[in-house]
Amino acid sequence: QQQVKQSPQSLIVQKGGIPIINCAYENTAFDYFPWYQQFPGKGPALLIAIRPDVSEKKEGRFTISFNKSAKQFSLHIMDSQPGDSATYFCAASKGAQKLVFGQGTRLTINP
Amino acid sequence: EADIYQTPRYLVIGTGKKITLECSQTMGHDKMYWYQQDPGMELHLIHYSYGVNSTEKGDLSSESTVSRIRTEHFPLTLESARPSHTSQYLCASSRPGGSYNEQFFGPGTRLTVL
Repeated sequence: QQQVKQSPQSLIVQKGGIPIINCAYENTAFDYFPWYQQFPGKGPALLIAIRPDVSEKKEGRFTISFNKSAKQFSLHIMDSQPGDSATYFCAASKGAQKLVFGQGTRLTINP
Repeated sequence: EADIYQTPRYLVIGTGKKITLECSQTMGHDKMYWYQQDPGMELHLIHYSYGVNSTEKGDLSSESTVSRIRTEHFPLTLESARPSHTSQYLCASSRPGGSYNEQFFGPGTRLTVL
């Protein structure tokens, strides 16, 4: 079973802090690593994604850090806001094959 | 951004009823997926399709069935709903020809079986 392990399960951060969510994968053939953001009652939305040829990608306040040798990648949210409170999922896939999702992290940003 | 539509958004139904959850996309995506998700919990792939007349079971066993007669339409059917089927059902699709699986989700159908 190809797995992606995500931690922590839940995270509470004060406004302006930098929450960090981590994921570890097993299959070295994975070559696409997206993060999804899901608000209650909504479907997940693609937030940011990275390929293994780079170690970091930034889009606005969201940054993915990628460590190929450790088979780990993480999401950092700079200057976090209460509106960032959501469930975040990491995922991985090989080529165009189906995504393998992490277990999800419920993030709460307190005002 | 892909346009994926799911109907109904909410459904409350009695045990034993047959239900069909609708999913359609207007982007010409060849790959489509159904996930089952309890609130705020893991996404479990229950069915997927890589094109017309192609359907496969996902990682989580499900009593539901799917069909793919048209590219844009991927309905999910439960022949006899039970309380254990209560969950959120999410449909997703991804574009053809890509080298990676950029997947887009619909808003979901929240199913409650009494």
